[in-house]
Amino acid sequence: NAGVMQNPRHLVRRRGQEARLRCSPMKGHSHVYWYRQLPEEGLKFMVYLQKENIIDESGMPKERFSAEFPKEGPSILRIQQVVRGDSAAYFCASSPRAGDLADTQYFGPGTRLTVL
Amino acid sequence: SQELEQSPQSLIVQEGKNLTINCTSSKTLYGLYWYKQKYGEGLIFLMMLQKGGEEKSHEKITAKLDEKKQQSSLHITASQPSHAGIYLCGADMNAGTYKYIFGTGTRLKVLA
Repeated sequence: NAGVMQNPRHLVRRRGQEARLRCSPMKGHSHVYWYRQLPEEGLKFMVYLQKENIIDESGMPKERFSAEFPKEGPSILRIQQVVRGDSAAYFCASSPRAGDLADTQYFGPGTRLTVL
Repeated sequence: SQELEQSPQSLIVQEGKNLTINCTSSKTLYGLYWYKQKYGEGLIFLMMLQKGGEEKSHEKITAKLDEKKQQSSLHITASQPSHAGIYLCGADMNAGTYKYIFGTGTRLKVLA
């Protein structure tokens, strides 16, 4: 049973370019969460999605960041016009449901974004 | 201020020694999760605690949640180099929420 998959594992972008991070949830999981881990900081919630719906994006920066989870295919976290401060590890997690303690979030290996 | 405080921030122990990592909240937790993070491997789920006074064990790792549900400890018995990594506690702060709050982690190094 494959776990949460993320790609790419490492991504290097120059300032002003776009970064696209992909996440495939565990089989049978329809809820996806994105977290960001800045250097020397803890994981911070960014956004929660279900298929074709953004449920909560309260942790997303107001500009340049967007997320989607289409009916088919992986969830995408998109960062436009990247800046050096976007350099971080981005983790995706998935669960079968949400709001239930039994539905632990399982995390992927992360994408480490470096902005030059 | 950090809602979840972990201590110590880093720990170096000799192989075979026992160790304890603590996670403290100023608020009552709805659920508490322990994860282990290794570079390049993401977060590995260890255990989840939800009831005051609950204790769970897996192999040589035991996690406890106090009666007030504000403090958890992770205890490793007879540590091995394979236990090395960053241990993170995460929590549901409210019933039915999905926004995990995480501590800043405890870096564990085990010397062979």
